[in-house]
Amino acid sequence: DAGVIQSPRHEVTEMGQEVTLRCKPISGHNSLFWYRQTMMRGLELLIYFNNNVPIDDSGMPEDRFSAKMPNASFSTLKIQPSEPRDSAVYFCASSGEDRSFNSPLHFGNGTRLTVT
Amino acid sequence: AQSVAQPEDQVNVAEGNPLTVKCTYSVSGNPYLFWYVQYPNRGLQFLLKYITGDNLVKGSYGFEAEFNKSQTSFHLKKPSALVSDSALYFCAVRIMDTGRRALTFGSGTRLQVQP
Repeated sequence: DAGVIQSPRHEVTEMGQEVTLRCKPISGHNSLFWYRQTMMRGLELLIYFNNNVPIDDSGMPEDRFSAKMPNASFSTLKIQPSEPRDSAVYFCASSGEDRSFNSPLHFGNGTRLTVT
Repeated sequence: AQSVAQPEDQVNVAEGNPLTVKCTYSVSGNPYLFWYVQYPNRGLQFLLKYITGDNLVKGSYGFEAEFNKSQTSFHLKKPSALVSDSALYFCAVRIMDTGRRALTFGSGTRLQVQP
């Protein structure tokens, strides 16, 4: 199994530009999570999906952020327009959730976003 | 607010010595507790979890953690540290009595094992 695959690994863009981050979860996993990691705020949950449906997006910072999961094998996180304060490492994680909700998360290697 | 706290930003230990990385939680319901490790430029990796049952749980790479309900703690331990254990460690909690099911992570503790 290739694990959770994120692309790109690094993204450098100018303020105001649109940024799209991509994630391919582990095959068979039915839950997908987007987290953001910064030195100041640590790991923050942005949004998570279960069976392709957004369950909790209360962590999405503002309307500039949007996430989609059009099918079980692909998700995107979009920032439009981007701002310097969005600079962070963005992680995607997936899990094979059952009713017990105790399945561990499998993380991708992240996308390091720098907005200048 | 329901959360986890890792009171130490960094823990230093000599190779071969026992290590402890501390975690306390504050929840109103039944917590599911997890430990993850992060190596440089990598995503987090699952180490172990406590759901119910035995308070001492064993995980990957020789790590274990003890759930203490009276002290609301879930400290990570290893009897003999290795230099390769040097990494960033995160405690996390999943609150099962609310609608929000996703993991909430602590601020992380950097473990430095000196040769």
